[in-house]
Amino acid sequence: EAGVAQSPRYKIIEKRQSVAFWCNPISGHATLYWYQQILGQGPKLLIQFQNNGVVDDSQLPKDRFSAERLKGVDSTLKIQPAKLEDSAVYLCASSPRQGGNSPLHFGNGTRLTVT
Amino acid sequence: DQQVKQNSPSLSVQEGRISILNCDYTNSMFDYFLWYKKYPAEGPTFLISISSIKDKNEDGRFTVFLNKSAKHLSLHIVPSQPGDSAVYFCAASRTGANSKLTFGKGITLSVRP
Repeated sequence: EAGVAQSPRYKIIEKRQSVAFWCNPISGHATLYWYQQILGQGPKLLIQFQNNGVVDDSQLPKDRFSAERLKGVDSTLKIQPAKLEDSAVYLCASSPRQGGNSPLHFGNGTRLTVT
Repeated sequence: DQQVKQNSPSLSVQEGRISILNCDYTNSMFDYFLWYKKYPAEGPTFLISISSIKDKNEDGRFTVFLNKSAKHLSLHIVPSQPGDSAVYFCAASRTGANSKLTFGKGITLSVRP
């Protein structure tokens, strides 16, 4: 089974610029998550999709972050404009069903550096 | 407010000995707990889980113990191997359709040959 694919692996931008990350989940996984992991911290959920609908975006900074999952498969996460504190690894994960009792499968992440 | 706490940032053990990684939680509504392992430049990978109806779950060299009254869980690795050197995250959730995982900060385990 192919894993969760993310691109790019690394991105360096200046503050106030925009950036987008892409995620392709495991085939057949209905639930997709975007997590932010700041250095020295655990992953923090930004947004959860069930198919192409948003289940939870309570911790997404909506003034600058946006995400979509068209057709219930691939997803993109965008930051516009970026701030220095957005420097982190952005992890995409998927699971076959909703609920915490379904282990998440993570991609390798995109490391974002904002200068 | 950190609901899942891994208070020890690092642990170093000798190969062949036992590694014990601890995790505490504050939210009594959590009823499902997981451990993830993360190597550098890779995403976390699922290791083992336990439901609150159990107090122990074992999978090969890995055993997770849950003490609900103390809101404490631990991961035991026996025997420890150099390949176990990684960051270990404890995570917790509430069973439910929209439940989400809350992660601790992680513990860096180093297994010395």
